[in-house]
Amino acid sequence: GAGVSQTPSNKVTEKGKYVELRCDPISGHTALYWYRQSLGQGPEFLIYFQGTGAADDSGLPNDRFFAVRPEGSVSTLKIQRTERGDSAVYLCASSPRLAGGLNEQFFGPGTRLTVL
Amino acid sequence: KQEVTQIPAALSVPEGENLVLNCSFTDSAIYNLQWFRQDPGKGLTSLLLIQSSQREQTSGRLNASLDKSSGRSTLYIAASQPGDSATYLCAVFSGSARQLTFGSGTQLTVLP
Repeated sequence: GAGVSQTPSNKVTEKGKYVELRCDPISGHTALYWYRQSLGQGPEFLIYFQGTGAADDSGLPNDRFFAVRPEGSVSTLKIQRTERGDSAVYLCASSPRLAGGLNEQFFGPGTRLTVL
Repeated sequence: KQEVTQIPAALSVPEGENLVLNCSFTDSAIYNLQWFRQDPGKGLTSLLLIQSSQREQTSGRLNASLDKSSGRSTLYIAASQPGDSATYLCAVFSGSARQLTFGSGTQLTVLP
């Protein structure tokens, strides 16, 4: 079946603008994660959804960042008043909810955000 | 707070060599460990997942081991090929937050 998809693949915006990044997880996966990857670094956790609710948003850097998953499938990461430091690749991952340690995450191709 | 370290940061080898990539983590209370491959400008491809109760996993020319008590994992690549050139990321799934914590990756170049 189809993998995780993310749109847009690239987004260029100006400082101070609002952006929305979309993630379509693998069908049937109840867990959804957002990560942010800066150049030369590994991805850093932002937020985790189990179903419709944000189970853990401790990785969001500040209150300009917000994410929703209203129907338990598609998720949108929203960034208000963008800053140049927000420039990064934003990755989405999904996984089926399984017991024990088998919680393999499958990643989308990412959205490259550039704030000018 | 979980921290993941990968050594070396970059590695260049001639085609055909066997090689080992290293990953260490500070908190041994993990649920699993995943190795990923990332090509330039692309997303992450999952290579192997080792559950905390397992010692190793194999897929083709790849073998990953896990020593949870010492906080270490290795990714062994046999008979390397130029197509193996990519960045390899190690990540552990741990903590009550149920999130992946990544290392910074090892950038591998296999020379033809």
